[in-house]
Amino acid sequence: KQEVTQIPAALSVPEGENLVLNCSFTDSAIYNLQWFRQDPGKGLTSLLLIQSSQREQTSGRLNASLDKSSGRSTLYIAASQPGDSATYLCAVSSAGFQKLVFGTGTRLLVSP
Amino acid sequence: GAVVSQHPSWVICKSGTSVKIECRSLDFQATTMFWYRQFPKQSLMLMATSNEGSKATYEQGVEKDKFLINHASLTLSTLTVTSAHPEDSSFYICSAGTGGFTDTQYFGPGTRLTVL
Repeated sequence: KQEVTQIPAALSVPEGENLVLNCSFTDSAIYNLQWFRQDPGKGLTSLLLIQSSQREQTSGRLNASLDKSSGRSTLYIAASQPGDSATYLCAVSSAGFQKLVFGTGTRLLVSP
Repeated sequence: GAVVSQHPSWVICKSGTSVKIECRSLDFQATTMFWYRQFPKQSLMLMATSNEGSKATYEQGVEKDKFLINHASLTLSTLTVTSAHPEDSSFYICSAGTGGFTDTQYFGPGTRLTVL
């Protein structure tokens, strides 16, 4: 059974810092990995999707890497801003197309 | 971009009543829709997968007779929580995709269910 863990569970940083969120998964047989953002009481916003054959994806200040063999992914956020405050979830697709297993999430607070 | 809507956005009901939540793909046809449940400060847990015109596939531990899912068209799936109880209070989120291994799921904004 696929299990996805995210470290740290919570993170508080001052504005402007570069930060790294970690995601690990137990079964390396994945189709893809996605990073999502969730604001309190809201749905999910897809940030980045990395196919299993890819090593990384970039969008603006966000960069996600994938090391499938070791079961790890990192989300790098450059020059953090208060608007980045949210919960970040990673999810892997395995055991059938599109079936997502979500991680435990990292609650990020960026203070001005 | 693809948009998925949910209705209602929140609902409060009495214990023992049934509640229906709708999930619609507004600008694309969704062959597959997924229903997730999220308890406070926890991650999303997949409840079931529904394919248009066929029975839903439920995850282990999810009561199919309690959580009725209907995917009658390529743009609409409904989740009915039957005989709701306070422990069913949660945030329910649907997602939709057009299918395929590399396809992206598009998530709805969620429905907050509170059972008194």
